[in-house]
Amino acid sequence: GNSVTQMEGPVTLSEEAFLTINCTYTATGYPSLFWYVQYPGEGLQLLLKATKADDKGSNKGFEATYRKETTSFHLEKGSVQVSDSAVYFCALSVRGNQFYFGTGTSLTVIP
Amino acid sequence: DAGVIQSPRHEVTEMGQEVTLRCKPISGHDYLFWYRQTMMRGLELLIYFNNNVPIDDSGMPEDRFSAKMPNASFSTLKIQPSEPRDSAVYFCASSPPRLGDTEAFFGQGTRLTVV
Repeated sequence: GNSVTQMEGPVTLSEEAFLTINCTYTATGYPSLFWYVQYPGEGLQLLLKATKADDKGSNKGFEATYRKETTSFHLEKGSVQVSDSAVYFCALSVRGNQFYFGTGTSLTVIP
Repeated sequence: DAGVIQSPRHEVTEMGQEVTLRCKPISGHDYLFWYRQTMMRGLELLIYFNNNVPIDDSGMPEDRFSAKMPNASFSTLKIQPSEPRDSAVYFCASSPPRLGDTEAFFGQGTRLTVV
């Protein structure tokens, strides 16, 4: 079946620290992969995506590379800011099917 | 584009009352999803539609929940009768055709409190 597993939170980092949030997946077919971000009191917003193997999605300093050999799509940022504090969701979608979301990882960045 | 519009943003109701949540998807999107988010269970897919037809409602928790999409620009999620354990944030999302290549666009959510 289709599923996403992401690292448990919460994660607390100091400003300018390096961020990694791990995400692995299982999928029937050839999925597209996504990272969404949810700020307090808001809906989920797309952060970045990748639609085929070895693609790198990037946005706002965040990056993730679609690794088919390890079935992974880890989220990274070189230097986090207080404004990055949010909940991050990894997700996949297979053509013609629904979206599958991970459980979310809460990130808090302290000054 | 105004994005996905949900109403109301907040709803407080008494146990046993009927609750109706509303969603207007982005024009041209032919997939519509209803999700429920709680601290305990995270983000759960309740039901999704394609071209106004329900495709998968296996996530609907019980018969008290029902969803309709009478046309391409409107959907409702109804809970009758409501119970305190239904308290959650309910999100509607829509997606363009060629699902799988494009992302889902989420509304701001409806925070439901059943007392």
